Amino acid sequence: DSGVTQTPKHLITATGQRVTLRCSPRSGDLSVYWYQQSLDQGLQFLIQYYNGEERAKGNILERFSAQQFPDLHSELNLSSLELGDSALYFCASSALGVRGSAPLHFGNGTRLTVT
Amino acid sequence: GIQVEQSPPDLILQEGANSTLRCNFSDSVNNLQWFHQNPWGQLINLFYIPSGTKQNGRLSATTVATERYSLLYISSSQTTDSGVYFCAVSPLMNRDDKIIFGKGTRLHILP
Repeated sequence: DSGVTQTPKHLITATGQRVTLRCSPRSGDLSVYWYQQSLDQGLQFLIQYYNGEERAKGNILERFSAQQFPDLHSELNLSSLELGDSALYFCASSALGVRGSAPLHFGNGTRLTVT
Repeated sequence: GIQVEQSPPDLILQEGANSTLRCNFSDSVNNLQWFHQNPWGQLINLFYIPSGTKQNGRLSATTVATERYSLLYISSSQTTDSGVYFCAVSPLMNRDDKIIFGKGTRLHILP
């Protein structure tokens, strides 16, 4: 168990809808990363927060947004969903946020299916 | 941006065999990590290895930062080693905290 908790585990929704994915980092970790993994693909970096502030942005669509709350949990919001958004969404946390200076630990992911 | 290339893309081995997975990166990095994604999709951090060599049981990793590559060695493979192995790097010249993943090596260990 990595200590990173993601909910829900599975999500099935229709095109055009909006969903929220939740992540609780390991106790004491200040940094949260979000990644998208489509079928048989690698891990695409979406966005990173450190102690409540956005620190890095990757190939995140404008329809997607995220935030990190004062208790350090993070939420990834996906709106106007399309079939192509179906993927496994991972959250990862690390103790620090400075240029990956601490190991990254992943949650078990949320599998999103858009029908 | 930095390019992270892993080789081979696919590898099929008999149980008990040894293997070497390679990760090349195009620019200097602050650190490098190796991950194993098991067949159930879970991602496990194997090594945090900016440079030098580390060992953990049957697995070991070596990073030669000056030559921009890292190697993951798996000895006496077991079926539970099957899955995808990713390396991930944090580019030195980045002003942000991105961690970029390679496309992975898919390993299949036959019983």
